[in-house]
Amino acid sequence: EIVLTQSPGTLSLSPGERATLSCRASQSVTSNYLAWYQQKPGQAPRFLIYAASNRATGIPDRFSGNGSGADFTLTISRLEPEDFAVYYCQQYGSSPWTFGQGTKVEIK
Amino acid sequence: QVQLVQSGAEVKQPGASVKVSCKASGYTFTSYGITWVRQAPGQGLEWMGWISAYNGNRNYAQKVQGRVTMTTDTSTRTAYMELRRLRPDDTAVYYCARVHVGWFDLWGQGTLVTVSS
Repeated sequence: EIVLTQSPGTLSLSPGERATLSCRASQSVTSNYLAWYQQKPGQAPRFLIYAASNRATGIPDRFSGNGSGADFTLTISRLEPEDFAVYYCQQYGSSPWTFGQGTKVEIK
Repeated sequence: QVQLVQSGAEVKQPGASVKVSCKASGYTFTSYGITWVRQAPGQGLEWMGWISAYNGNRNYAQKVQGRVTMTTDTSTRTAYMELRRLRPDDTAVYYCARVHVGWFDLWGQGTLVTVSS
């Protein structure tokens, strides 16, 4: 099973700042099959990125994904108030599919 | 409207079973899979398994293997997840989501299952 470790656990930033979230896999993720999701309290997750770097339909271009192999990042170029949430990475290159434990982006 | 609508909250006793439904609309049901993800209170997301709505092929996470059954009814465009021999640590919000390739691009609203005596 591929274990995904996200860091940091919590990121305290101000609106307008840049957020960089890390997702490290315990082994290489096949075909860079890595997705990112955003979750706000009391809501279902929202799909952001697939195949490491492709934005889902309707996702603003301030969200970008990068990386390959076992190291991936999600960058939010300039934080908007609605971006403060928990972010999860998920790999679907190997069964079982797995999630990281999440990174909380909070207002500083 | 493209959406997944789940059944309502459940309260179950330990040892009982629960069956959660997930009704799809607005897209071709058999062109995608359905996955189930749960989230215990204050915790992260846990993948439980998925089922192809096209051919019924399924794959379960080892943690729930033997206690979970995922099914689909293409006539009603509904997916189901049944979890048996419930334990208090099964208390969670259960989400269904549409699977495309392996990512989850459309989510249901979640169903809270509480296991308590």
